[in-house]
Amino acid sequence: DAKTTQPNSMESNEEEPVHLPCNHSTISGTDYIHWYRQLPSQGPEYVIHGLTSNVNNRMASLAIAEDRKSSTLILHRATLRDAAVYYCILYSQGGSEKLVFGKGTKLTVNP
Amino acid sequence: KAGVTQTPRYLIKTRGQQVTLSCSPISGHRSVSWYQQTPGQGLQFLFEYFSETQRNKGNFPGRFSGRQFSNSRSEMNVSTLELGDSALYLCASSFRGLSGNSPLHFGNGTRLTVT
Repeated sequence: DAKTTQPNSMESNEEEPVHLPCNHSTISGTDYIHWYRQLPSQGPEYVIHGLTSNVNNRMASLAIAEDRKSSTLILHRATLRDAAVYYCILYSQGGSEKLVFGKGTKLTVNP
Repeated sequence: KAGVTQTPRYLIKTRGQQVTLSCSPISGHRSVSWYQQTPGQGLQFLFEYFSETQRNKGNFPGRFSGRQFSNSRSEMNVSTLELGDSALYLCASSFRGLSGNSPLHFGNGTRLTVT
């Protein structure tokens, strides 16, 4: 079955770029990679998703390795409001688990 | 557009009781999925309903069940509550369901405490 691995925590300074990694070495060819973030006492909020190509939206960029075994969420200029727990999630089209969650990376942004 | 609404926000129950949680999806979304979040296990997928049919199911015991109504609102039921069921229960709605190419929109969850 698919599995995702993320660092427990990362720290950044305001207005600097942040690169949040996720390892998914057992990903299948049809599995989508999604990123969500969660603030305390709130549900997760969608950030971005992709399949094979790099993706950009107003919130972030998603860089997917050529072999798809890892991906990186890029916040171009971190703000204090970006401090949250970031989850890398695989939408697994096969195997016994439909959604495979990482444990999340707690991002701290220093002013 | 109104977001996903979960009720109640907080619930305290006793071991052995049962509980029903409610989720109202974003208008037009036919998929509702449920998740359990605990400090130890993190986020785990419970099940997904699409147009009133359960389409996907996670690895949870049969005490956890759900249903979806014709207006797409969904309920989750947990019977014979155990202390380990204490968690934040989240629901999410989406337009295309868990196909992978459709974002999930989460509610703020129901915090269940079992004593």
